[in-house]
Amino acid sequence: AAGVIQSPRHLIKEKRETATLKCYPIPRHDTVYWYQQGPGQDPQFLISFYEKMQSDKGSIPDRFSAQQFSDYHSELNMSSLELGDSALYFCASSRLVGLAGGPYNEQFFGPGTRLTVL
Amino acid sequence: AQRVTQPEKLLSVFKGAPVELKCNYSYSGSPELFWYVQYSRQRLQLLLRHISRESIKGFTADLNKGETSFHLKKPFAQEEDSAMYYCALSGPGAQKLVFGQGTRLTINP
Repeated sequence: AAGVIQSPRHLIKEKRETATLKCYPIPRHDTVYWYQQGPGQDPQFLISFYEKMQSDKGSIPDRFSAQQFSDYHSELNMSSLELGDSALYFCASSRLVGLAGGPYNEQFFGPGTRLTVL
Repeated sequence: AQRVTQPEKLLSVFKGAPVELKCNYSYSGSPELFWYVQYSRQRLQLLLRHISRESIKGFTADLNKGETSFHLKKPFAQEEDSAMYYCALSGPGAQKLVFGQGTRLTINP
């Protein structure tokens, strides 16, 4: 079965450079989430999109921006990179499923992009 | 505030022994609780969700609203259970996940 695809898998940048991370959700999934996992840390929510509109925002720096395109893929743009931005960036996708107990959302994760800022 | 706490960063048990990974949460309302697992060099994948009340790979987890806990249990650990386990919660519907710090489980032969 198709899974969430992220590219690139590894990225090395210098301080103050920019980076673009891409996420391709599972077909027919309408929601995309971005998470950042620093070394030894738990994944932290950055931002999410539902039907190409931003649906929620977490602890995402102003230097970062993201969008979801008409084909539902999403890109996370990071500018003025800092050493502290070095982390694993996960993308997840989901599609709301109606269950007897109420709507249910299972998020499927991509393999992550490991960003190293030197 | 939404918070998930996994008190043990590392847990090591012998094969065949029972396993319990602890998870406590803080949430005002009725959250959805999940356990995610990450095997070596693989992506995060859903192991259990509280609403389904199912057993996956011998693991079960019961939501205790009084104690705000969602501990993960398995009666007899297997070597292939060695992995990183994350407890997570979300609000109802398509909402972000809030993760705990994770517990690295090692099953010794």
